[in-house]
Amino acid sequence: GEDVEQSLFLSVREGDSSVINCTYTDSSSTYLYWYKQEPGAGLQLLTYIFSNMDMKQDQRLTVLLNKKDKHLSLRIADTQTGDSAIYFCAENDNAGNMLTFGGGTRLMVKP
Amino acid sequence: DTEVTQTPKHLVMGMTNKKSLKCEQHMGHRAMYWYKQKAKKPPELMFVYSYEKLSINESVPSRFSPECPNSSLLNLHLHALQPEDSALYLCASSPGTGGREQFFGPGTRLTVL
Repeated sequence: GEDVEQSLFLSVREGDSSVINCTYTDSSSTYLYWYKQEPGAGLQLLTYIFSNMDMKQDQRLTVLLNKKDKHLSLRIADTQTGDSAIYFCAENDNAGNMLTFGGGTRLMVKP
Repeated sequence: DTEVTQTPKHLVMGMTNKKSLKCEQHMGHRAMYWYKQKAKKPPELMFVYSYEKLSINESVPSRFSPECPNSSLLNLHLHALQPEDSALYLCASSPGTGGREQFFGPGTRLTVL
């Protein structure tokens, strides 16, 4: 079955780069996603990457995909206190109907 | 309009009550989803509607009853819930099924007494 795993917690200083890692098992996934969730709020789609890409950059966000190792990462450059949130990676199923989420990584940014 | 809206924001109900959660999007998306999220956990898929037809039901108890009156609206009717059903209920939509990105609403925080 599908399984997506993330580390639970990451703490960085404001201005540093943050790297959040994710591993997944379904090699047939077409898209992989990163979502951000602030306390008491819904999920905000940050970015996604198509499975035939290695890298995608969008302003401060860089997504790296190692399909051989089934490893996905999200790098946030110049991390700000407003980036403090839970970050979920997710993969879709073969049919593209269902998202399977990782357990979420809580990012804490210290001033 | 590029957002998914949900009402109410908060809901407290007793185990004998009947209530409904509402979700709306005006992005022309043809797939809509209900998720349940418990504290400190990722969202869990409950239902998928594709072109206003229920396409996936993830073995959700019958006390949760989804309805899709039209392509912009998705309801979740609640009846005889249990305290363990207390959670954040998230609605999402996507242009279609098939791997496209899903956009989430802010959620309804449900408390069952």
